[in-house]
Amino acid sequence: DAMVIQNPRYQVTQFGKPVTLSCSQTLNHNVMYWYQQKSSQAPKLLFHYYDKDFNNEADTPDNFQSRRPNTSFCFLDIRSPGLGDAAMYLCATSRVGWGPNEKLFFGSGTQLSVL
Amino acid sequence: GDSVTQMEGPVTLSEEAFLTINCTYTATGYPSLFWYVQYPGEGLQLLLKATKADDKGSNKGFEATYRKETTSFHLEKGSVQVSDSAVYFCALRGLAGANSKLTFGKGITLSVRP
Repeated sequence: DAMVIQNPRYQVTQFGKPVTLSCSQTLNHNVMYWYQQKSSQAPKLLFHYYDKDFNNEADTPDNFQSRRPNTSFCFLDIRSPGLGDAAMYLCATSRVGWGPNEKLFFGSGTQLSVL
Repeated sequence: GDSVTQMEGPVTLSEEAFLTINCTYTATGYPSLFWYVQYPGEGLQLLLKATKADDKGSNKGFEATYRKETTSFHLEKGSVQVSDSAVYFCALRGLAGANSKLTFGKGITLSVRP
């Protein structure tokens, strides 16, 4: 049974057209993360929520926003996608977000294409 | 800042061959180290971990030992199977605390031939 669900699996958008990616979890975890993974590169953390507290990485472009309306759902909004934003976007959760034994649970990802 | 370096790939092996995937890291203090695996069409999942120097993580026949002196966490398996074909990511979690984060390497694709 999928515990972290990302929809859709593939998303195509046009240059400059806003797009929203969604993530839901059945684990009741406190922390939800969004990673960007470009081809042959390491997943890069964009931001995370600890409950309702939003934590943005210093180098995440302003073009990327996120919403977490409740514990189960988290959205990634790209306000004006550019060609360089084409990537796999990974959602992950963890129970408390820290500690040596903490592990992340990942969704299958959404592959975003920008035309 | 923290960083993880993985050997260049991809790696192609025959079934039952010995596997080594190299991983080295740079971090302040004493990070926790992880290997995550991503099977085709699935999300990343934790394969094994080690939280202090000389710890050995193991799972599904895979092993990795936390070597502080060489800042390494190489992944090994004595006899790979076709079902081990996947992308393998080395990662570290640095300083403890609410804002500690997981830093990944680039990942390496392993293909195992029957």
